[in-house]
Amino acid sequence: SQQGEEDPQALSIQEGENATMNCSYKTSINNLQWYRQNSGRGLVHLILIRSNEREKHSGRLRVTLDTSKKSSSLLITASRAADTASYFCAAGGTSYGKLTFGQGTILTVHP
Amino acid sequence: DAGVTQSPTHLIKTRGQQVTLRCSPKSGHDTVSWYQQALGQGPQFIFQYYEEEERQRGNFPDRFSGHQFPNYSSELNVNALLLGDSALYLCASSLPRGTTDTQYFGPGTRLTVL
Repeated sequence: SQQGEEDPQALSIQEGENATMNCSYKTSINNLQWYRQNSGRGLVHLILIRSNEREKHSGRLRVTLDTSKKSSSLLITASRAADTASYFCAAGGTSYGKLTFGQGTILTVHP
Repeated sequence: DAGVTQSPTHLIKTRGQQVTLRCSPKSGHDTVSWYQQALGQGPQFIFQYYEEEERQRGNFPDRFSGHQFPNYSSELNVNALLLGDSALYLCASSLPRGTTDTQYFGPGTRLTVL
């Protein structure tokens, strides 16, 4: 079963607006990662936040992690049409390298 | 610096056949993981190879097997194909620390089982 669960399943916004996606997971993690996927292609790594971190920034991306609530959020600021894609959170467990993905959020940014 | 490469890009097979998918990791990476992604779903972990051994396995039947070669490249084999095996198969490689870390994904192999 999927450990990471994203919310919402789909998000439609206008260019320039901010997009927020949420993710929940079930068990202990080493880290929480976010990936982007365009049109069923390979996944592109966006950002990784470790279990002892609470917030991390990378360009227009901001990720938060709340281990007490087992949840994370990804904020994309000043969105662009090129940000249109599916976004997945992936929980990195405490053993080896298995990533457990959620079902993803489909983001559509209208120009 | 080449990223993760996978071959073939697309593949069409019929039920009962066998298939082999190939993956070359990013330069400097020694750990390879395989994922299956059904349409509209998130990727599901199949297994991970490290030092030519299967180190961790997800909830997939024995029809799914793999191999890692001394040059760290890897193969995924699926026997007795079922219609439900139709999916995008993703390979990911990671740094040689053998711990949970950023994984770099290839473009995937789209398998269609008829």
